[in-house]
Amino acid sequence: GQQLNQSPQSMFIQEGEDVSMNCTSSSIFNTWLWYKQDPGEGPVLLIALYKAGELTSNGRLTAQFGITRKDSFLNISASIPSDVGIYFCASPPRIFGTGTRLKVLA
Amino acid sequence: DAGVTQSPTHLIKTRGQQVTLRCSPKSGHDTVSWYQQALGQGPQFIFQYYEEEERQRGNFPDRFSGHQFPNYSSELNVNALLLGDSALYLCASSFVGGVYNEQFFGPGTRLTVL
Repeated sequence: GQQLNQSPQSMFIQEGEDVSMNCTSSSIFNTWLWYKQDPGEGPVLLIALYKAGELTSNGRLTAQFGITRKDSFLNISASIPSDVGIYFCASPPRIFGTGTRLKVLA
Repeated sequence: DAGVTQSPTHLIKTRGQQVTLRCSPKSGHDTVSWYQQALGQGPQFIFQYYEEEERQRGNFPDRFSGHQFPNYSSELNVNALLLGDSALYLCASSFVGGVYNEQFFGPGTRLTVL
């Protein structure tokens, strides 16, 4: 079935570093959403992508929708401690990625 | 503008019991989707309601059922609870008439089955 694979599964970074994570699929999707989830809470929508090749920013976050519509990346610049959490890519409503767990070392 | 709300926050049940979880969508939204999220996993799609009908369903047994009311709020019912049903249950709302399928999530209900 359709699924979204995220990499890396987890990462430790130093505060101030830039972060990059990927989401790939064997199927074509028309919408890619990126969410951040803190422990015990619901996911929060960060960025939405709708067009192949689209590059969208939201503050320190930048995401791109791959040309083939089978992948996307999310970059976080100058990471801060509150960036800690799990980042999910999704093509709603059915498909969620496996998540990338980010830990920031102060 | 109220976001998606869910109740209760936490719930403890025993095996074999039944549970009802509730969700109120974000103002202006008419579609509600429910997800089950086990610890350390991504959300798994249960079903989606629009115009008071189940429109899409994930790979969940019939023990999982739902309802949507005329005011767009929704309930998730789980019968004959199993230990494996312990999870965070998330509700997400969206506007089907919008151009884009953006979903907004509630804080979730933590269900523990003993």
